[in-house]
Amino acid sequence: QSALTQPASVSGSPGQSITISCIGTNMDVGSYDLVSWCQQHPGKAPKLIIYEVNKRPSGVSNRFSGSKSGNTASLTISGLQAEDEADYYCCSYIAGGTVVFGGGTKLTVL
Amino acid sequence: DVQLVESGGGVVLPGGSLRLSCAASGFTFADYGLNWVRQVPGKGLQWVAGINSNGAMTGYGDSVKGRFTVSRDNAKHSLYLQMDTLRAEDTALYYCARGGGYVGVAGNYFDFWGQGTLVTVSS
Repeated sequence: QSALTQPASVSGSPGQSITISCIGTNMDVGSYDLVSWCQQHPGKAPKLIIYEVNKRPSGVSNRFSGSKSGNTASLTISGLQAEDEADYYCCSYIAGGTVVFGGGTKLTVL
Repeated sequence: DVQLVESGGGVVLPGGSLRLSCAASGFTFADYGLNWVRQVPGKGLQWVAGINSNGAMTGYGDSVKGRFTVSRDNAKHSLYLQMDTLRAEDTALYYCARGGGYVGVAGNYFDFWGQGTLVTVSS
């Protein structure tokens, strides 16, 4: 169960858009449209923001969007706001009925 | 509102055992798979174990297989994690997370999370 690969950090200025990548394999991201993304602020529990590649839970801003191409999933945040500064984790279903997380990406809003 | 409240964490010696609990409320407990996810302070998330809605199916991460056992009591709306033969590398904050979706042992995403309970394995 190797972790999915995410950049350690990304940054952007308020109002800009940023994209976080999540690279897997044909055993996980590439084989299933079952990628999710969680946001975690310091000292807080993770919060689901995207599930099944591009679906948003109720109450999550439409500034968050997800996509997938081949073995790579992506999270895009548009109209960056200070409150978006957090850690972001991707997660994918893998064959065998389990799941695997990415290593996490720290987003800094400049 | 959905609430998940973990308990049972603490300090334990290497080789020791600990049992975590997660009390759930605000949803029909028996309809959902449940999971344990851990996080070493300052590090990333790691899926530990999952159990389906009726408790008949379980799954484990490679690093805990054979040492940890996940179970649930639908009458008590509670999830458990029995942790045996604990190692220093098991030190982490352990979250209870509700499974969403219909794929996998306990869902394919985590739609609600508790606040976690801290387990420290140290001599």
